[in-house]
Amino acid sequence: QKEVEQNSGPLSVPEGAIASLNCTYSDRGSQSFFWYRQYSGKSPELIMSIYSNGDKEDGRFTAQLNKASQYVSLLIRDSQPSDSATYLCAARRMDSSYKLIFGSGTRLLVRP
Amino acid sequence: GAVVSQHPSWVICKSGTSVKIECRSLDFQATTMFWYRQFPKQSLMLMATSNEGSKATYEQGVEKDKFLINHASLTLSTLTVTSAHPEDSSFYICSARDRGPYEQYFGPGTRLTVT
Repeated sequence: QKEVEQNSGPLSVPEGAIASLNCTYSDRGSQSFFWYRQYSGKSPELIMSIYSNGDKEDGRFTAQLNKASQYVSLLIRDSQPSDSATYLCAARRMDSSYKLIFGSGTRLLVRP
Repeated sequence: GAVVSQHPSWVICKSGTSVKIECRSLDFQATTMFWYRQFPKQSLMLMATSNEGSKATYEQGVEKDKFLINHASLTLSTLTVTSAHPEDSSFYICSARDRGPYEQYFGPGTRLTVT
């Protein structure tokens, strides 16, 4: 079992719809979670970080964390074609290394 | 804020030569920097973690004598690929962690092609 799992997709949604991206993690000691967006051929870009159970909103993005279920999600409202990218979920280990464990990413396609 | 640069953005070298890639945090001091490699259509693979002033910690399976990492200051880390071979051709990305926040910020990456 991978430490951080994501559906590889592609997830295809029409423009203006809500895109829902999901991620599960296996290490219950993980406390910090991150969503990165990666366009093809580019490096990852941090979108959201979440540390506490519940929802965290930033513009069109909402991150949700449920530690009991070991589940993290990212909602993108009013999806735009420019949101088409691979979304990487990452969990930070609770040790002094500060390493991030990445999922393999979900590819999102927003259809015009 | 939280800008990380990498240089060069792309490099082509001949088999057997060495290549140095620089990673700089431009507007913050990076206590820890990380080096990743990414092959086409694959996820990020962490190669090593470097802390300023100390030796890098390499992930299992990464040859420390081939991938030399130096983190001489709080704003600069370098990765040197020694005796490069075509199978080392990849996208190398660094990230940096600020002192306080837990977030990692990525550089734009360096595309290495070994001929």
